[in-house]
Amino acid sequence: GAVVSQHPSRVICKSGTSVKIECRSLDFQATTMFWYRQFPKKSLMLMATSNEGSKATYEQGVEKDKFLINHASLTLSTLTVTSAHPEDSSFYICSARDLEPYEQYFGPGTRLTVT
Amino acid sequence: GQNIDQPTEMTATEGAIVQINCTYQTSGFNGLFWYQQHAGEAPTFLSYNVLDGLEEKGRFSSFLSRSKGYSYLLLKELQMKDSASYLCAVSDSNYQLIWGAGTKLIIKP
Repeated sequence: GAVVSQHPSRVICKSGTSVKIECRSLDFQATTMFWYRQFPKKSLMLMATSNEGSKATYEQGVEKDKFLINHASLTLSTLTVTSAHPEDSSFYICSARDLEPYEQYFGPGTRLTVT
Repeated sequence: GQNIDQPTEMTATEGAIVQINCTYQTSGFNGLFWYQQHAGEAPTFLSYNVLDGLEEKGRFSSFLSRSKGYSYLLLKELQMKDSASYLCAVSDSNYQLIWGAGTKLIIKP
């Protein structure tokens, strides 16, 4: 299957700082990428849908000014958590969608810890 | 509204067979996916069904009945490494994935 990379895999930051997470599709062009958050023992929660060259579509309850998403190319989307707080500590996972059968390929995830 | 239901947790014995059910109600249907997720890791793709019937892939099989809004994932010859969460997801009319909460499968020796 297709490969999606995510960087960094783990990050620890201080409260009030910003953190950028990169998601790359390595062997296909992804017009659509998705950002998920997952708390321990919970299912995936879709945060936003990112389309190349346009603004991201955020799910209800997700602050677009806090979680900045940029999808500048067909192989790269970034999520920036601005002014991070301890409650933002979570497992962030990106996925990239292929054209057929619209399967989503997941990155390995980024574990964010805000101290 | 859109809804995906699957059991929260199941327990099975090594070497046995287990069936994980998933029922769904969504606005449109463009296929059903099963993903496996080990603790602390991202989900990995297991299967995709868009037509009714059984798809077999090694020890894993997935079944779909669109008229009943029902799918199951069948795992045979269970191994300890199969202990994981299994996520059912339906692609709706906009090709967005609607996720179930996942079924935690515990394998006992």
